[in-house]
Amino acid sequence: QVQLVESGGGVVQPGRSLRLSCAASRFTFSSYAMYWVRQAPGKGLEWVAVISYDGTNKYYADSVKGRFTISRDNSKSTLYLQMNSLRAEDTALYYCARRYCRDLVTACDAFDIWGQGTRVTVSS
Amino acid sequence: QPVLTQPPSVSASLGASVTLTCTLSSGYSNYKVDWYQQRPGKGPRFVMRVGTGGIVGSKGDGIPDRFSVLGSGLNRYLTIKNIQEEDESDYHCGADHGSGSNFVWVFGGGTKLTVL
Repeated sequence: QVQLVESGGGVVQPGRSLRLSCAASRFTFSSYAMYWVRQAPGKGLEWVAVISYDGTNKYYADSVKGRFTISRDNSKSTLYLQMNSLRAEDTALYYCARRYCRDLVTACDAFDIWGQGTRVTVSS
Repeated sequence: QPVLTQPPSVSASLGASVTLTCTLSSGYSNYKVDWYQQRPGKGPRFVMRVGTGGIVGSKGDGIPDRFSVLGSGLNRYLTIKNIQEEDESDYHCGADHGSGSNFVWVFGGGTKLTVL
């Protein structure tokens, strides 16, 4: 079935880096804008970053701007999140999710497919 | 950018009805909002999109007819009738916001629905 599978999470010390991956299957990955959304323990959802279907447009939440980089490889149907200079407040379950957008990252349908999440813990 | 405000928790009895509220900050009364259900230990699931005219588009896959939405002014409502045990979840609202060359997606804080 259509699915997204995240990987790459783990325990990392403050200031270090981590790269998350999100492997897509059974749909045309290159047709969808892709998002990273995180959820700190016991908290609500927080949007992290979005990348357009073709990788040309990328946007970030202020909380991660300058530290995180979203990218995609459409030939591998894989989404990435490079996380640098990690902080304790980045500790969360990280989800990838897809949206169909009619114009890069605007005029979008809802998030209709989510992964199961990969857990990132930033701690010394 | 808009701020979406949700009450942290709501409770309702089995078989009763409940209305969840998502309030947009001033100046964003024309915004559409998406509702998501998140059952314990699971990822979010799209419920439906709502504007001031009511539902926009179709409900998410498998969302029962007991779920409905309404929009008025700055408020976007999700009503669940004949509440079942499986409805006990966190409910999140969210909206797009584009401004010039910037773009953000904003979530509310989420509401935990407890079924009594």
